[in-house]
Amino acid sequence: DAKTTQPPSMDCAEGRAANLPCNHSTISGNEYVYWYRQIHSQGPQYIIHGLKNNETNEMASLIITEDRKSSTLILPHATLRDTAVYYCIVRSNTGANSKLTFGKGITLSVRP
Amino acid sequence: DAGVIQSPRHEVTEMGQEVTLRCKPISGHNSLFWYRQTMMRGLELLIYFNNNVPIDDSGMPEDRFSAKMPNASFSTLKIQPSEPRDSAVYFCASSLDHTDTQYFGPGTRLTVL
Repeated sequence: DAKTTQPPSMDCAEGRAANLPCNHSTISGNEYVYWYRQIHSQGPQYIIHGLKNNETNEMASLIITEDRKSSTLILPHATLRDTAVYYCIVRSNTGANSKLTFGKGITLSVRP
Repeated sequence: DAGVIQSPRHEVTEMGQEVTLRCKPISGHNSLFWYRQTMMRGLELLIYFNNNVPIDDSGMPEDRFSAKMPNASFSTLKIQPSEPRDSAVYFCASSLDHTDTQYFGPGTRLTVL
């Protein structure tokens, strides 16, 4: 049972920033927010994760609200290759809740 | 780094046949996961191993499914006998520890006729 809510789809123009929202209002103090994406016919690809501070890596930035009830994944300059299903997952780093539970994700379509 | 390796990439078999899917985790990773993805059920965890020992197999659908990890660099998922409803994409993932970031393989697309 996924603990996150994502809109089913969104699109953005190539070269523009893609901001993907995620709600996780029941997140616990020891649970991280993880983002994966799945490009058609490929395995899920890890993007980024965070606990409460904003995080940035070579792929994306993760902005987590102060109350940690929602977050936004930002792809700063979307390309056509970023078209994929993006999964926001809440996950503990201990015990049974350390499982990755994938929901339906959000389908991002990047248009030329 | 070669990443997680799965074989075969595609498998077509007939109902009743035995199917064996294979996975080689990233070197140095101590945890290995098997997932199944279908249109109806999405991506679901079947079983995971830590240090070659099965820890949680609650996602294994029924006794026809079995998984083994004889050593740190190899795991198999076997379906015997296979049924058409087993048609899906099966992914293997590995991580340093079961609480760490998981890295997925390219998957095996299984079709049971």
